[in-house]
Amino acid sequence: DAKTTQPPSMDCAEGRAANLPCNHSTISGNEYVYWYRQIHSQGPQYIIHGLKNNETNEMASLIITEDRKSSTLILPHATLRDTAVYYCIEGDYKLSFGAGTTVTVRA
Amino acid sequence: GAVVSQHPSWVICKSGTSVKIECRSLDFQATTMFWYRQFPKQSLMLMATSNEGSKATYEQGVEKDKFLINHASLTLSTLTVTSAHPEDSSFYICSARPPGLSYGYTFGSGTRLTVV
Repeated sequence: DAKTTQPPSMDCAEGRAANLPCNHSTISGNEYVYWYRQIHSQGPQYIIHGLKNNETNEMASLIITEDRKSSTLILPHATLRDTAVYYCIEGDYKLSFGAGTTVTVRA
Repeated sequence: GAVVSQHPSWVICKSGTSVKIECRSLDFQATTMFWYRQFPKQSLMLMATSNEGSKATYEQGVEKDKFLINHASLTLSTLTVTSAHPEDSSFYICSARPPGLSYGYTFGSGTRLTVV
């Protein structure tokens, strides 16, 4: 079963940063935090993952709290094409998806 | 980047027939692949773990005799939905992880199965 908690929906303004929160209070020491997104009728797209350090790539930044019980995904400049369901997952071997956050970027 | 390819993208079959879905890792070897199912307006549900050269491991509640998984090579896993019924209509997605901790799990584009 999914072990993370995310808000069901968020609206973001185009061109602004989008900050997506996630709680994973039961995460164990060897489990990573993964973020994926899914656009309707497509397979999930990998965004970023991390263990305990903050991570950044060309798509996003991942900020993980020191106690690792929560994290924030940051999309630095949201575009309309970032509208999707975003999933935060804790796992080390197989990934179980929760309900995710439906993010709508508005012009 | 690492790519996982699924085929077919969509399939329509008659009730009672079987359907095979292929999942290939195109530029890496995958000893383990994962199969998910997604119903409309719901999240992905992990069905099973496909292991190269050995039996698949099924999640609780998933019928192993109905969803046959074969992982015959390091780049190919197949899911066969046997004696399909309309309630098996769903979006089936596979995933695999390229070697190396810098990579996340890569997902295929999914297969839309409609049983009529």
